[in-house]
Amino acid sequence: QKEVEQNSGPLSVPEGAIASLNCTYSDRGSQSFFWYRQYSGKSPELIMSIYSNGDKEDGRFTAQLNKASQYVSLLIRDSQPSDSATYLCATQGGSYIPTFGRGTSLIVHP
Amino acid sequence: GAVVSQHPSRVICKSGTSVKIECRSLDFQATTMFWYRQFPKQSLMLMATSNEGSKATYEQGVEKDKFLINHASLTLSTLTVTSAHPEDSSFYICSAGGGRTDTQYFGPGTRLTVL
Repeated sequence: QKEVEQNSGPLSVPEGAIASLNCTYSDRGSQSFFWYRQYSGKSPELIMSIYSNGDKEDGRFTAQLNKASQYVSLLIRDSQPSDSATYLCATQGGSYIPTFGRGTSLIVHP
Repeated sequence: GAVVSQHPSRVICKSGTSVKIECRSLDFQATTMFWYRQFPKQSLMLMATSNEGSKATYEQGVEKDKFLINHASLTLSTLTVTSAHPEDSSFYICSAGGGRTDTQYFGPGTRLTVL
């Protein structure tokens, strides 16, 4: 059974701080890794994808992948109240069928 | 990013009726579409994987005769909830991916309320 684990939170950080969201996965055959953001009552939207070990930066977001440890993380710098949402981690193998974690709720307070 | 639309965005129906939800990829060809259901404050639940021109693959516990999926073209998949009941009330979301692109793009979702 493929599993993606995330701490459900909520993770509460002050405005301007760095939010660190973590995810572990069980399937060593996973090749693609994604972070989605989901606001309450809305569908998920893609934030970042990462495919190789290391860091990938896009604006205030940095995704980190460590395949040996089966670990993916998302850092949000200069967190804003508008970043408050649920963040979903997803992995995919060769079948292109994604496996989603249950999501981490992030609260950025002014 | 790629654009995926869903229609309708919200539907209220009486128990026993059937509801069809459309999912369209607007600017790319989607060889694979996924249908999810999400209850309030719960995680996404994959219902089925739909490949263009072939029968959908349903996840364990999802009734294929109740949730009819058709993926007749590379830009359109439909989910029909047959004989809907109040327990089918949920947020239904599709996602689409195209060709060798493995990234999935989500539609805006359809909120179904069965009275």
